[in-house]
Amino acid sequence: GAGVSQSPRYKVTKRGQDVALRCDPISGHVSLYWYRQALGQGPEFLTYFNYEAQQDKSGLPNDRFSAERPEGSISTLTIQRTEQRDSAMYRCASSLTVAASAFQETQYFGPGTRLLVL
Amino acid sequence: SQELEQSPQSLIVQEGKNLTINCTSSKTLYGLYWYKQKYGEGLIFLMMLQKGGEEKSHEKITAKLDEKKQQSSLHITASQPSHAGIYLCGADLANDYKLSFGAGTTVTVRA
Repeated sequence: GAGVSQSPRYKVTKRGQDVALRCDPISGHVSLYWYRQALGQGPEFLTYFNYEAQQDKSGLPNDRFSAERPEGSISTLTIQRTEQRDSAMYRCASSLTVAASAFQETQYFGPGTRLLVL
Repeated sequence: SQELEQSPQSLIVQEGKNLTINCTSSKTLYGLYWYKQKYGEGLIFLMMLQKGGEEKSHEKITAKLDEKKQQSSLHITASQPSHAGIYLCGADLANDYKLSFGAGTTVTVRA
């Protein structure tokens, strides 16, 4: 597609439910990133993929959070047993090539999924 | 992120007036991004600065990087309603792929 797309755009769920957030990167982009943005704050890094390999998951808050990118394109961020503190905007970004550093490759962001846990 | 401080938090400017937003890092900057956040459109990439003293312009928006001060400024000339939004600076602080972001500056342009 022309840009990074994410679905759903809004998700309301009850505490304890599992949710799956989807990211479709720009066509041909090798690297994919997940960030989480709390209200009034900037995005914070969660995890990073090169192709299908998850290179870094150091930003995932706990083991309820997981991500995959099985075919090196679409990625899914899954949150199990959601809690109210998980409410936030979840943003996905992609970049064209495998970059050793962020200034080598521009990260293009999608519109985000706003998650509300009741 | 407390590693990147943006100022001011918000500002209101009369249409046609200039404005400046600052972003200061507590760590070495390996690259500095400016994004604009608009409702429903995600983060729109504006520009990226890599080298100390580098200055880039796009239409009426100019950004400059002062490597020694670990600081960047974003300047908008003759602001228009289309410039309203939240401006975020993001930086590579560890010479890796992760971006750290400031909390954002909300810009309101009054007609």
